[in-house]
Amino acid sequence: GAVVSQHPSRVICKSGTSVKIECRSLDFQATTMFWYRQFPKQSLMLMATSNEGSKATYEQGVEKDKFLINHASLTLSTLTVTSAHPEDSSFYICSARGDRGDQETQYFGPGTRLLVL
Amino acid sequence: GDSVTQMEGPVTLSEEAFLTINCTYTATGYPSLFWYVQYPGEGLQLLLKATKADDKGSNKGFEATYRKETTSFHLEKGSVQVSDSAVYFCALRRGGNKLVFGAGTILRVKS
Repeated sequence: GAVVSQHPSRVICKSGTSVKIECRSLDFQATTMFWYRQFPKQSLMLMATSNEGSKATYEQGVEKDKFLINHASLTLSTLTVTSAHPEDSSFYICSARGDRGDQETQYFGPGTRLLVL
Repeated sequence: GDSVTQMEGPVTLSEEAFLTINCTYTATGYPSLFWYVQYPGEGLQLLLKATKADDKGSNKGFEATYRKETTSFHLEKGSVQVSDSAVYFCALRRGGNKLVFGAGTILRVKS
């Protein structure tokens, strides 16, 4: 199946710093990428949807200035958590949809664990 | 708003046991329903889906039937294997892109 990677898989940072998470579609072109956040024992919550070359669409309650999303190419989207605080600690998951297989199916990355101290 | 509720885990079974993971949903209209599986260290993978009432999705021995009357999409497998140990997520999509997920159910299969 289609492969989506995320980097890093785990990151620890100090409060106030910014952290960038990369999401790559390795063997297909991703016209749309999605970013999710997952709290322990809770479901994945969609944060934003991005289409290549255009601004991301954020879900209600998600701060766009806090979570910067860039989808600059058909294989790469980045999520930058700006001025991170301990409450931003979470598991961040991306998914991608594009020209592989069923064009409605989202292919998920393995996730990035962020811990803000 | 739309929501998905699935049974809490972990569910622990012996190999070759019968598996049921319950999933119910709340949504207006006719959503598409999905089961995703996440193996350790990997991303979520689509396991099966159903797009209309009474549809049965199936894959790798797993089945789920879209029951509109009970707003349910329970996942079943007749004989589980150790390799089925994973986290299972029920989800719905009602038009557009947005998937709404349940909280996930951990399945542990012992040999």
